[in-house]
Amino acid sequence: GIQVEQSPPDLILQEGANSTLRCNFSDSVNNLQWFHQNPWGQLINLFYIPSGTKQNGRLSATTVATERYSLLYISSSQTTDSGVYFCAAVSGGGADGLTFGKGTHLIIQP
Amino acid sequence: EAQVTQNPRYLITVTGKKLTVTCSQNMNHEYMSWYRQDPGLGLRQIYYSMNVEVTDKGDVPEGYKVSRKEKRNFPLILESPSPNQTSLYFCASSLDYYNEQFFGPGTRLTVL
Repeated sequence: GIQVEQSPPDLILQEGANSTLRCNFSDSVNNLQWFHQNPWGQLINLFYIPSGTKQNGRLSATTVATERYSLLYISSSQTTDSGVYFCAAVSGGGADGLTFGKGTHLIIQP
Repeated sequence: EAQVTQNPRYLITVTGKKLTVTCSQNMNHEYMSWYRQDPGLGLRQIYYSMNVEVTDKGDVPEGYKVSRKEKRNFPLILESPSPNQTSLYFCASSLDYYNEQFFGPGTRLTVL
């Protein structure tokens, strides 16, 4: 099945800093999503982005499907941005579920 | 409000006592699935259902059963829970398998 790798695994930043999280995937994708898992364990949908670029406030994402990677940008970080960010994908040939990366653990210090 | 709901949110039980975790969505989605999340292993799919007629195993189906009698509901059944099923469980739904998936709030299960 598809492999999804995220980097970096951990990231510690000061409030106000910008960050870029990367997701590499091993096959063509029908679906690529970014999630934020908050301290209470809930998975919050950030972006559905199998290709192209999207923006939502301080967050934006770009997926270059032909090169099999996606980037999540966080600008002007706030402490509430802390948590784990997951990238997940459904491969082009599969009808099964999302394959998740191991996540990037982001800590924003005040 | 469009949402996926799960119940219970927290459960502590003992080995061998059958339990059911319910999942319901109000978005008229065809596709539903269950995942478990474990430290060091990440999120893995247990079962999925393309529609009310098609259900199939995911990556870690052993010890679980599912039922899809109606579109909105997709319960997860543990007929004889064991301690290795202690985990955080998520239900998800989408229009189809390649569309955006929406997750429930999670169920923290502890099997003693």
